[in-house]
Amino acid sequence: ETGVTQSPTHLIKTRGQQVTLRCSSQSGHNTVSWYQQALGQGPQFIFQYYREEENGRGNFPPRFSGLQFPNYSSELNVNALELDDSALYLCASSSLKDREVKNIQYFGAGTRLSVL
Amino acid sequence: AQSVTQLDSHVSVSEGTPVLLRCNYSSSYSPSLFWYVQHPNKGLQLLLKYTSAATLVKGINGFEAEFKKSETSFHLTKPSAHMSDAAEYFCVVSSGPYSSASKIIFGSGTRLSIRP
Repeated sequence: ETGVTQSPTHLIKTRGQQVTLRCSSQSGHNTVSWYQQALGQGPQFIFQYYREEENGRGNFPPRFSGLQFPNYSSELNVNALELDDSALYLCASSSLKDREVKNIQYFGAGTRLSVL
Repeated sequence: AQSVTQLDSHVSVSEGTPVLLRCNYSSSYSPSLFWYVQHPNKGLQLLLKYTSAATLVKGINGFEAEFKKSETSFHLTKPSAHMSDAAEYFCVVSSGPYSSASKIIFGSGTRLSIRP
């Protein structure tokens, strides 16, 4: 077990709705990253938060947004859901020093989102 | 720009025989390279990482990988496959200037099957 927990484990939404996914980081970690993993593909980097500020973003539209809280837990929000948003969403926490990218990321088991 | 290519989408070996999972990368900066394993319905687990130290990296469960800059490769190997090694394996490259976003790129994955 990595100590990273995600909720819910499964979620079904309809097109156009909004969704919030949650992640609780491993104790002592100050950084959280979110990934989208479509079926049969590798995870795609959505964005990363370091000490409550966005520390980088992948090629995802603005309707994908996030928050990191003072206790370093995090939320991923997706507005105006589309069918292609159906995927496994993974959260990973790490402890970055000076925004280094070399640190190990610890992944949660993910939230499987189905958009109908 | 950076990218990572996993050369085989599926590898099948017999139990007790060697495993070779191939990964090539490109990066504008000195990269950090990782291998992660994903078992069905589980989160990603780190096998090993390379961060500019020794070029031969040993990981968990008997896996190792060698960083070859001249070949831009980071192939994963194991001398003797075990049934429990059956899973999806991802090669990951992470690089970028400290002031920018963490550029984290996953390969498309290699599914490893083990024959009894």
